[in-house]
Amino acid sequence: DAGITQSPRYKITETGRQVTLMCHQTWSHSYMFWYRQDLGHGLRLIYYSAAADITDKGEVPDGYVVSRSKTENFPLTLESATRSQTSVYFCASSSGKETQYFGPGTRLLVL
Amino acid sequence: GESVGLHLPTLSVQEGDNSIINCAYSNSASDYFIWYKQESGKGPQFIIDIRSNMDKRQGQRVTVLLNKTVKHLSLQIAATQPGDSAVYFCAEFPRDRQKVTFGTGTKLQVIP
Repeated sequence: DAGITQSPRYKITETGRQVTLMCHQTWSHSYMFWYRQDLGHGLRLIYYSAAADITDKGEVPDGYVVSRSKTENFPLTLESATRSQTSVYFCASSSGKETQYFGPGTRLLVL
Repeated sequence: GESVGLHLPTLSVQEGDNSIINCAYSNSASDYFIWYKQESGKGPQFIIDIRSNMDKRQGQRVTVLLNKTVKHLSLQIAATQPGDSAVYFCAEFPRDRQKVTFGTGTKLQVIP
């Protein structure tokens, strides 16, 4: 039972490069979410998706792009990485609008 | 309790003692709450939830208490074990479920 997985787990990149973080869930959950976690802040929502081909902005969407062509995948792309995007990124999924199950996270460092 | 400062509040507890972690939520319209546990280097893990029509809910070694009057949520862990060492944070859900708010968390350190 794989649940929800993220890749890569660690990533170092340079300012201006494009980076894609992958998220895959095996539960067929309708909802998927991307959060970033920074010291001093609670989890902040970047984007979410209610179903395949439906995505919406969250609290901090600037600089990020998402897609959801398949229910089980929800990749997050940083089109031109900036140092302020250094963070830990968590993907989550849920069957409804309540309990969210989180992946293990991707630690991203932008130099 | 939780803080929006740069450093997480820390609760140090002797192994075997009970732990109480607090969370003050902001939205009086929130009617569903979750406690998450996050171990170092891992993603948040669901522990227990409670709806606003309840004041108390018990799980295995954990109890969540909800005081809607003062907008306060607490997580009680009985007979705290070293494996309970983690950051704990609450999540509050408004009735329309449009925006979930996550707390910054409290770090629980269990002293063997």
